Amino acid sequence: QKEVEQDPGPLSVPEGAIVSLNCTYSNSAFQYFMWYRQYSRKGPELLMYTYSSGNKEDGRFTAQVDKSSKYISLFIRDSQPSDSATYLCAMSSNTGNQFYFGTGTSLTVIP
Amino acid sequence: EAGVTQFPSHSVIEKGQTVTLRCDPISGHDNLYWYRRVMGKEIKFLLHFVKESKQDESGMPNNRFLAERTGGTYSTLKVQPAELEDSGVYFCASSPHLGQGSYEQYFGPGTRLTVT
Repeated sequence: QKEVEQDPGPLSVPEGAIVSLNCTYSNSAFQYFMWYRQYSRKGPELLMYTYSSGNKEDGRFTAQVDKSSKYISLFIRDSQPSDSATYLCAMSSNTGNQFYFGTGTSLTVIP
Repeated sequence: EAGVTQFPSHSVIEKGQTVTLRCDPISGHDNLYWYRRVMGKEIKFLLHFVKESKQDESGMPNNRFLAERTGGTYSTLKVQPAELEDSGVYFCASSPHLGQGSYEQYFGPGTRLTVT
């Protein structure tokens, strides 16, 4: 079983839509939850990180963590064509600094 | 501020040859990580340096891979001899310090390695 599961998509939405991206995980030791955005042929770019459970908002982006369900989400409001990219979730425990990544979800926002 | 840089951006080598990848972290970042993404799979951890010391090398696949970080600045990852299954994108990331801040890892653009 993989440490982190993420639906690869692809996901295609019209401009202005609300996008929901999700990951599930199996390791209850994970405490840090990150979302990265990756454009084609570029490195992953850190969008948000959250410690433990709860919500975090940054502009059009909201990250949610539900540790009881081992489920994390990233919501993108008022999606824009420039949001078209692959979105990666990553997680880490308190005792280790290595990240465990999902495979990424490919998102296309259609103008 | 310059981000994490990696060189080369792309390398094509034959099976059995040697390749050395280089990573320059963000200035002042003590923590440096190497990751690899094999086609169709998730990004996987290889190892973690704190300054010049290897903190965790549990992800290194075998002894054909050698990572160094002399002087605690840039790092190199050497693959010798390269095998077909070593093909993938090698990412480097850096982070300013251990503890809570270390969970902000900043990634370079990656080196795409193709072994033929």
